[in-house]
Amino acid sequence: TQLLEQSPQFLSIQEGENLTVYCNSSSVFSSLQWYRQEPGEGPVLLVTVVTGGEVKKLKRLTFQFGDARKDSSLHITAAQPGDTGLYLCAGAPYDKVIFGPGTSLSVIP
Amino acid sequence: KAGVTQTPRYLIKTRGQQVTLSCSPISGHRSVSWYQQTPGQGLQFLFEYFSETQRNKGNFPGRFSGRQFSNSRSEMNVSTLELGDSALYLCASSIPLGTAKNIQYFGAGTRLSVL
Repeated sequence: TQLLEQSPQFLSIQEGENLTVYCNSSSVFSSLQWYRQEPGEGPVLLVTVVTGGEVKKLKRLTFQFGDARKDSSLHITAAQPGDTGLYLCAGAPYDKVIFGPGTSLSVIP
Repeated sequence: KAGVTQTPRYLIKTRGQQVTLSCSPISGHRSVSWYQQTPGQGLQFLFEYFSETQRNKGNFPGRFSGRQFSNSRSEMNVSTLELGDSALYLCASSIPLGTAKNIQYFGAGTRLSVL
């Protein structure tokens, strides 16, 4: 059973479009992290959200933590080819960090 | 500050052999975790070491083992390799304190191919 679910699994869009990806769980998290992974590399931390309802912005990326701290979303405005990659959410509901299966994003020029 | 360093980057082995992967964490990070990443299973937690002690372990067979040295460097060993062990093995270091304890800093990984 996946403790963290992510949707969609795959997303292919044209440059300039907007998109939202989701991370959901039935467990409560003290914090959630979002990472981006490019082919052949390790995941790189984008943001960590801690407070329920929190919204964080990183240039064209907007992250939101659900009020109940069970879910999170990532919205990208005007996607660029450089946004291509695997987006992973992660958290530690118990004593170790778990990762969602990821959303693979492809932005076509 | 240097990031997490993993060696080697690529490795090709045959079934039945054993392999050792190495990880140097970010200076000052005392926690090191290992993950296996495959297209079908995603990122799967192998184990975590802190102060030379295994603190957590994932659901992998005993063929997968690890250790951590006094300088926080870590090694992972896989014995009697199977075809299904082909994967990207990622090491991550972290500061195991407060809200920062869940933030993982990853190396570039070791791509293991078992033939």
